[in-house]
Amino acid sequence: DAKTTQPNSMESNEEEPVHLPCNHSTISGTDYIHWYRQLPSQGPEYVIHGLTSNVNNRMASLAIAEDRKSSTLILHRATLRDAAVYYCILGRQGNLIFGKGTKLSVKP
Amino acid sequence: DSGVTQTPKHLITATGQRVTLRCSPRSGDLSVYWYQQSLDQGLQFLIQYYNGEERAKGNILERFSAQQFPDLHSELNLSSLELGDSALYFCASSVWGSTDTQYFGPGTRLTVL
Repeated sequence: DAKTTQPNSMESNEEEPVHLPCNHSTISGTDYIHWYRQLPSQGPEYVIHGLTSNVNNRMASLAIAEDRKSSTLILHRATLRDAAVYYCILGRQGNLIFGKGTKLSVKP
Repeated sequence: DSGVTQTPKHLITATGQRVTLRCSPRSGDLSVYWYQQSLDQGLQFLIQYYNGEERAKGNILERFSAQQFPDLHSELNLSSLELGDSALYFCASSVWGSTDTQYFGPGTRLTVL
């Protein structure tokens, strides 16, 4: 299975940017990089995904390294509602293999 | 609200019993996925159906089975339940499969006593 490595936890202050890193050195050419998050007591929620180029949407930005062996999810202004577990996943044949993710805490 | 519905929300049963979890995908989505989330194993992919056909299998036990019906809703059947089957079970759906975004339901919490 395609494996990703993320820090177990990170802390951020409210209204500051957050950069969540992810290493995926075994990525193959056709693997998409997906980010999902799971708020407490809820199902996972799609955040963003990309293949090679950096991506932006209303929730976040995804910066992908040129060699694609790492990526960074950027939340431009963290809010208390962004406190969640963030999963970086390599999508292979449509199946999402979740790791343990990064637990993001946001301090007011 | 993702548009994916799951019933029941909670289920409490005894070891050895059989239960059925139900999932209705978002309107228009053809793929349904089942995941299990337990405290020690995290989120585990179980199985995927696409338009009624099994498309991919993950870490699904032989005691578990699933199907997708012509109206595209799906059921996950868990039999000969063990204490270790206690977990949250999530259903997700996507338009096709492959690299599509998956939309997750709120989950069914299963407790086996």
